[in-house]
Amino acid sequence: QSVLTQPPSASGTPGQRVTISCSGSNSNIGINTVNWYQQLPGTAPKVFIYSNNQRPSGVPDRFSGSKSGTSASLAISGLQSEDEADYYCVVWDDSLHGLVFGGGTKLTVL
Amino acid sequence: QVTLRESGPALVKPTQTLTLTCTFSGFSLTTIGMSVSWVRQPPGKALEWLALVDWDDDKYYSTSLQTRLTISRDTSKTQVVLTMTNMDPLDTATYFCARASYSDYALFDYWGQGTLVTVSS
Repeated sequence: QSVLTQPPSASGTPGQRVTISCSGSNSNIGINTVNWYQQLPGTAPKVFIYSNNQRPSGVPDRFSGSKSGTSASLAISGLQSEDEADYYCVVWDDSLHGLVFGGGTKLTVL
Repeated sequence: QVTLRESGPALVKPTQTLTLTCTFSGFSLTTIGMSVSWVRQPPGKALEWLALVDWDDDKYYSTSLQTRLTISRDTSKTQVVLTMTNMDPLDTATYFCARASYSDYALFDYWGQGTLVTVSS
């Protein structure tokens, strides 16, 4: 059972907008910034959103992040087949004195 | 050019101790804001953070595994070693090391390719 709760799956058709949620608590998302990672099969994760809503260079602007209270979200607009991957949120937890990952969301492009 | 590479045994027996080494280049772990974490991923399952060591030699551990883990860095500051005691088949996973910078422990900008460790008798 992850400290951060993500839906196990999400899906959409090409061109659609999908949102992946990450629910935490006052000791993690409530007071620290959230980062999002994309993981393609057989590869290491890659940061797609950092500091709640910042995109590293090279990440398409179709990807956006937000945070409100103890929850965060990753939104992908104009869905493309190449976006099919697993997505993870991660944040520092002040109570646990460590990092916590969400359980991951498998995004399928129908 | 920043690189990280994990090394260690591909197969360990139950109850044995696992020692993994992360050899890195292109940065110094003594630079303020730098840290190296270990993250694992059982086959078909989610990522799990294990431990980190930072530029000040502060160490943090997953609360669920802290009694079994030890993280250290060598004096030349180009390797980070993770030991995990009392290995169990449930510890079978790909183990990654990853660098975080900018004083955000959760912002991993570089990863190793990962090393698969199987626990079996």
